[in-house]
Amino acid sequence: AQKITQTQPGMFVQEKEAVTLDCTYDTSDQSYGLFWYKQPSSGEMIFLIYQGSYDEQNATEGRYSLNFQKARKSANLVISASQLGDSAMYFCAMRTRGGKLIFGQGTELSVKP
Amino acid sequence: GAGVSQSPSNKVTEKGKDVELRCDPISGHTALYWYRQSLGQGLEFLIYFQGNSAPDKSGLPSDRFSAERTGGSVSTLTIQRTQQEDSAVYLCASSPPGLAGQEQYFGPGTRLTVT
Repeated sequence: AQKITQTQPGMFVQEKEAVTLDCTYDTSDQSYGLFWYKQPSSGEMIFLIYQGSYDEQNATEGRYSLNFQKARKSANLVISASQLGDSAMYFCAMRTRGGKLIFGQGTELSVKP
Repeated sequence: GAGVSQSPSNKVTEKGKDVELRCDPISGHTALYWYRQSLGQGLEFLIYFQGNSAPDKSGLPSDRFSAERTGGSVSTLTIQRTQQEDSAVYLCASSPPGLAGQEQYFGPGTRLTVT
C-alpha cells in the first residue's frame, strides 16, 4: 500500500534556527515524486519543493531543502533560518504512478520570536 | 496569470440537499484533481481528470459524489443528498502537461458545511 507518514503533529522552532520536518513513505513503484506543501491559516496550499525518485541530488529551493534518503524511504524537509511567517501546517505528499497525490497528516510548525 | 479558482468559497447547506462545487483550472493545464480536507486532517484524493482520458474516480467515497469536466477545462463536483460527514474543505488542483506537470497548483478551496 502507498502511504505517507508524518510522525510530528507539532513542532516548535526558535526564529532564525533551522528545523527538520520528518516524512517517510511507502511505495512499490520505482518512479514517484515527493512534494512538500505549506498550508498557512488562510488555507491555501503552497508548493515548496519537489524531489523525483530518480534525482540523485537533494532538491533545494531557497531556504528549503529536501533530505532524500531513498533506501530509508524518507524525504525530510529542512527549513533554514526560520522566520515567523513559516508558522503553518506542512504536508508531505507522494505523487503516484496514476498522478494523484497521497498526503501525510501534516506537521504544525510554530516559529517562536 | 490567474491561478486556480473555485466557487463558491463557502457553502452552507441542509442535510439531504444537493450541492455543486466549481473549479476553474489554470489555462492550458490538462490535469485536474479534486481533494477533500476534513477538519485538522490531511488531504484525501477524490477524483482526477487527465485530458480526454477516463477519469480516475477511485477516491470518491460514495455514489453520492460525482464530477465532470467540460471541454477539458472547468470541472464541477456534485454531492447529492449531503450528509454531515461531507462537511470539509474541497480543494481543486491542476497541473500542466508533460514532465513539467509534476507540481499541482491548488485553488483556495470551497468550505462546505452541512447542517
